[in-house]
Amino acid sequence: EAQVTQNPRYLITVTGKKLTVTCSQNMNHEYMSWYRQDPGLGLRQIYYSMNVEVTDKGDVPEGYKVSRKEKRNFPLILESPSPNQTSLYFCASSRLAGEQYFGPGTRLTVT
Amino acid sequence: AQSVTQPDIHITVSEGASLELRCNYSYGATPYLFWYVQSPGQGLQLLLKYFSGDTLVQGIKGFEAEFKRSQSTINLRKPTVHWSDAAEYFCAVGGGSQGNLIFGKGTKLSVKP
Repeated sequence: EAQVTQNPRYLITVTGKKLTVTCSQNMNHEYMSWYRQDPGLGLRQIYYSMNVEVTDKGDVPEGYKVSRKEKRNFPLILESPSPNQTSLYFCASSRLAGEQYFGPGTRLTVT
Repeated sequence: AQSVTQPDIHITVSEGASLELRCNYSYGATPYLFWYVQSPGQGLQLLLKYFSGDTLVQGIKGFEAEFKRSQSTINLRKPTVHWSDAAEYFCAVGGGSQGNLIFGKGTKLSVKP
């Protein structure tokens, strides 16, 4: 089944404790992206990648890191999480210029 | 500047009534346009997409959209709304080979019996 998976689905952590949210797709898509969703703000892009070893900042990259060492994986790293990073996070993938397929979301709470 | 505007934050319709959700976009090149739906606690599901060709696009779940280039709009429609259509709807625009999508802030649809 074609899908985008994210782990964990739910995470509660404390300020400053490094964490990684994994994202994997099995559709051989070139493009992958991370979004955060906050009430009233819609989806805002954090980082995206057009292919292996090619990543670029989206609209709200501060406090986040990504890597793309393999085509199927695109982890999101929070080196020192803060409460303002409490949000719902989505990973997505697509062919270039195609529709994006979204993962189920990761709800992160930073206390 | 590239942008997507969904003018209605929240819409309530009666079950069985028709629905139209508005979306205006600003994009410098030929746009690719999408409508996504997000049910409570769920991820985003693609309803329909417009790349080129016929300006009336059919999607899943009985939805359709009409693309009007002169007005820079792609409004989402459904003739008869069901209670299960209650969700949040997002319009998005992208284009070219970059793959980036710009999303609107969403319209929350409530359906009353």
